[in-house]
Amino acid sequence: AQSVAQPEDQVNVAEGNPLTVKCTYSVSGNPYLFWYVQYPNRGLQFLLKYITGDNLVKGSYGFEAEFNKSQTSFHLKKPSALVSDSALYFCAVRHTSNTGKLIFGQGTTLQVKP
Amino acid sequence: EAGVTQSPTHLIKTRGQQATLRCSPISGHTSVYWYQQALGLGLQFLLWYDEGEERNRGNFPPRFSGRQFPNYGSELNVNALELEDSALYLCASSPFQEQFFGPGTRLTVL
Repeated sequence: AQSVAQPEDQVNVAEGNPLTVKCTYSVSGNPYLFWYVQYPNRGLQFLLKYITGDNLVKGSYGFEAEFNKSQTSFHLKKPSALVSDSALYFCAVRHTSNTGKLIFGQGTTLQVKP
Repeated sequence: EAGVTQSPTHLIKTRGQQATLRCSPISGHTSVYWYQQALGLGLQFLLWYDEGEERNRGNFPPRFSGRQFPNYGSELNVNALELEDSALYLCASSPFQEQFFGPGTRLTVL
């Protein structure tokens, strides 16, 4: 069965410090991987995706993610956190056989303190 | 480029009633997806429509249904509402790989 795990319910980081939000996945074959961010009472905003190619993908708002096939991980990173980055972050996976659905992790709350 | 739009923003119903939620995809996107975000249950895939056809559905009872119109807009219907149907319902559209989400409809069942 396909699944996504975000092992941390909350990540706290000081403004200006680097941040990492962890994600591991379990899917047979080659996955499509995504990160989304959700602000309070809002929908999900697409940040970045990994389909194929370079293991380091760059996305919106200075975020990037590193795909590691051997560790089945897709961690979200940013070199310097902003207070405005505080939000709920979701990792998602879609199987390459197109069932359409995204499978989401449970979400990680990022708190950036000034 | 206008994003995915959903209506209404909020919907309050009582148990046993029916709810209808609407979604307009990004122009040019033919696929529409519905997800339920319920407290404690995370984001769950509900339905996928493409070119007017239902392509896949998640593990939800048949009282969750929908359709896609010729203009690719979509409607989600929830019949015989139960208290646990209270959730944020998110619609997304997709050009191919990533899905772009609307702001959601907050359904409250009393």
